[in-house]
Amino acid sequence: DTAVSQTPKYLVTQMGNDKSIKCEQNLGHDTMYWYKQDSKKFLKIMFSYNNKELIINETVPNRFSPKSPDKAHLNLHINSLELGDSAVYFCASGWGLVIDTQYFGPGTRLTVL
Amino acid sequence: AQTVTQSQPEMSVQEAETVTLSCTYDTSESDYYLFWYKQPPSRQMILVIRQEAYKQQNATENRFSVNFQKAAKSFSLKISDSQLGDAAMYFCAYRSGGGTSYGKLTFGQGTILTVHP
Repeated sequence: DTAVSQTPKYLVTQMGNDKSIKCEQNLGHDTMYWYKQDSKKFLKIMFSYNNKELIINETVPNRFSPKSPDKAHLNLHINSLELGDSAVYFCASGWGLVIDTQYFGPGTRLTVL
Repeated sequence: AQTVTQSQPEMSVQEAETVTLSCTYDTSESDYYLFWYKQPPSRQMILVIRQEAYKQQNATENRFSVNFQKAAKSFSLKISDSQLGDAAMYFCAYRSGGGTSYGKLTFGQGTILTVHP
């Protein structure tokens, strides 16, 4: 019973392509997040959705567009991929207003060639 | 904005020994939460321990404990009786207690822990 799942786990693509990463959580949480871990392992928040509403957008290029069809899903679509987009992308879920553990997905390693 | 600093890029410890990982943070808030996450080679982010800033007592989870110094804005992780399975990258993270951040975590740079048999 995976709490937070992401697909795919690995994604290799060419520059200029468009790709999507999907995330699903079965914990009933009201808030979901996307984090980016760069080549130096630094983790930084990208987006946060609370009850399908965009709450946090941390100066991310508009080539990145998150979409939350419902509370249990948060997808990340990336247009016109660039070399610098290569990273590991983590989805996470938690309670936005209640202090509790934030659960992370297994990550998606994106490699742009 | 809050910042989290881990000044030790790498640490090593002998199996069964004790090691302490350092973390400092900067915030003007009085209500916040601090976490240590572990990331083994599998890439999975695993919560190790958490500390509520309003609690004076240091959190403990089995072999893991923290030394939380609120005035100094310091939050170190002590791993006792280190095991080979503790080898991983460890991240210190900050979460605001206020509602506007909606649980956003701010991470430090990470510390790679090597455990020698």
